[in-house]
Amino acid sequence: KAGVTQTPRYLIKTRGQQVTLSCSPISGHRSVSWYQQTPGQGLQFLFEYFSETQRNKGNFPGRFSGRQFSNSRSEMNVSTLELGDSALYLCASGLWASSYNEQFFGPGTRLTVL
Amino acid sequence: KQEVTQIPAALSVPEGENLVLNCSFTDSAIYNLQWFRQDPGKGLTSLLLIQSSQREQTSGRLNASLDKSSGRSTLYIAASQPGDSATYLCAVCAGGTSYGKLTFGQGTILTVHP
Repeated sequence: KAGVTQTPRYLIKTRGQQVTLSCSPISGHRSVSWYQQTPGQGLQFLFEYFSETQRNKGNFPGRFSGRQFSNSRSEMNVSTLELGDSALYLCASGLWASSYNEQFFGPGTRLTVL
Repeated sequence: KQEVTQIPAALSVPEGENLVLNCSFTDSAIYNLQWFRQDPGKGLTSLLLIQSSQREQTSGRLNASLDKSSGRSTLYIAASQPGDSATYLCAVCAGGTSYGKLTFGQGTILTVHP
């Protein structure tokens, strides 16, 4: 069974640009969550999708947005990039069927903003 | 607001030693607690998930316990090996309507030297 895949693996952008990251969950998983990881703040929750609906959102500015498609694949978009957006962006997938919702993470997308 | 703390921040042990990593959380209203390992620059690998109704889970040389009332969990690693060197993260899934939002600790950096 294939794991969670994320594309691209690496990105270099300049301030002011926008970026779109993609996440494909494990087959059969219907929930996707996104996290930002930085050395200073650690892992912080961005948002969570289930059945194409955003179920929860973390404390990030509106420049961060996402969506989920009918095949459970998800994208997140960051507009007007800032230097502080440089981070490892991780997505996780799960069944979301109950409290036994083990989360499986992808390899991440390393975003560098210059 | 849920807060997760991990102690110690770093640990260095000789190969073969048994060790314990600690995790505490402030709000006991959780669905589950999950332990992950992360190798440098990589995504997270799920190690163990303990549901709120469980006291412990075991997988190979790993044993995780949960005391929800006191807001604590421990990860016990038996007979440590150099390949166990990584950052270990604990994360709680809080109650409410979300099964996919995890709150992470800052992690324990484990080094096992030959």
